[in-house]
Amino acid sequence: DTEVTQTPKHLVMGMTNKKSLKCEQHMGHRAMYWYKQKAKKPPELMFVYSYEKLSINESVPSRFSPECPNSSLLNLHLHALQPEDSALYLCASSQPGFIAVTNRDTDTQYFGPGTRLTVL
Amino acid sequence: SQQGEEDPQALSIQEGENATMNCSYKTSINNLQWYRQNSGRGLVHLILIRSNEREKHSGRLRVTLDTSKKSSSLLITASRAADTASYFCATSTSGTYKYIFGTGTRLKVLA
Repeated sequence: DTEVTQTPKHLVMGMTNKKSLKCEQHMGHRAMYWYKQKAKKPPELMFVYSYEKLSINESVPSRFSPECPNSSLLNLHLHALQPEDSALYLCASSQPGFIAVTNRDTDTQYFGPGTRLTVL
Repeated sequence: SQQGEEDPQALSIQEGENATMNCSYKTSINNLQWYRQNSGRGLVHLILIRSNEREKHSGRLRVTLDTSKKSSSLLITASRAADTASYFCATSTSGTYKYIFGTGTRLKVLA
């Protein structure tokens, strides 16, 4: 199973709302990522969790709050967003392999289908 | 910007022709990956090439890597209408989880 699932597929929220995006993988991957993608632009890294610990925060505003409850789940909590935060939010996972490459699949990122977020 | 650059930005070809897109990056890398993205959807992993490899094949895909020039190319042979998508390269540096995506090439294959 090489699937990463994301819910919801679409989300419309007001600037005062609190909502959460969810991501799940059952590939045993120990690194999980959140990306933001605007139309006709490449994905931009937001957060990385490795072994359930936050390892990278790309100076993301605090209105975005990531959470990794366990090795299979990744959440992104949203609060007081701005209209410019409207974008496609992508989750990905990978199996770290930079220590010892014993598996051809290590480092390959698998992406979910994304959540299309609209902030009104 | 730390982003890699891809060229061309857009490419339109006839079905059956080959499509070549190029990616240049700025720092030493651990590996380089190519992805395909259909309009507004998630990214599909195509191929990963490591820094000690020079060429890889997967079906109709051929990827080359020149670390001395900090560049990679993706060749799609015998293109099909279904290959119409945006293609991105992404690089990672050894010892980090940080992936940096290139600017992307929008490929259109005309039937």
